[in-house]
Amino acid sequence: NAGVMQNPRHLVRRRGQEARLRCSPMKGHSHVYWYRQLPEEGLKFMVYLQKENIIDESGMPKERFSAEFPKEGPSILRIQQVVRGDSAAYFCASSPPSTGNTIYFGEGSWLTVV
Amino acid sequence: TQLLEQSPQFLSIQEGENLTVYCNSSSVFSSLQWYRQEPGEGPVLLVTVVTGGEVKKLKRLTFQFGDARKDSSLHITAAQPGDTGLYLCAGEVGDYKLSFGAGTTVTVRA
Repeated sequence: NAGVMQNPRHLVRRRGQEARLRCSPMKGHSHVYWYRQLPEEGLKFMVYLQKENIIDESGMPKERFSAEFPKEGPSILRIQQVVRGDSAAYFCASSPPSTGNTIYFGEGSWLTVV
Repeated sequence: TQLLEQSPQFLSIQEGENLTVYCNSSSVFSSLQWYRQEPGEGPVLLVTVVTGGEVKKLKRLTFQFGDARKDSSLHITAAQPGDTGLYLCAGEVGDYKLSFGAGTTVTVRA
């Protein structure tokens, strides 16, 4: 998973604040995925993006969560008005342009809402 | 509800022993992947199995994909403390989405 860069690695937010998580995919990768991992649960798919396009956001909560992958710069997962239940590890993964390729995970961003 | 059920949830063994982790589903997958995740880190891909009945070996690790492509197992021979970690299986749903099991936490005692 070296090469997929996520920051911050750890983030503490008070209830009601906003959290922004950033992900820079591996070089040459134009597909980005976000997954969320809750304690003692497997990773859950949230969203799949290509440059400037959201391809599948079926795993995103309908409110307060948004994601983008601009033409320039990292992908951003944004959580507005955070609640305690948003506390989790958020993993970004990337893959090359062709479908069916292996995806590579970053080291994660751990969000704690206090 | 987990699409993939992993068992056991926790496994603690002595160095040198063998262990097997199971991943079961009622769904058919085009491929299934095994990952290992260490605390505070992201999942690292160990292997992808694609063909029903396929067996892949990675040093002391043996992965098997069921004939019906609904289940898989991971067997570790002569486990070492370095094998300690969370083992996750993930089935490919469609072209890009992975459905993960909840994982098996393996602890190998020296």
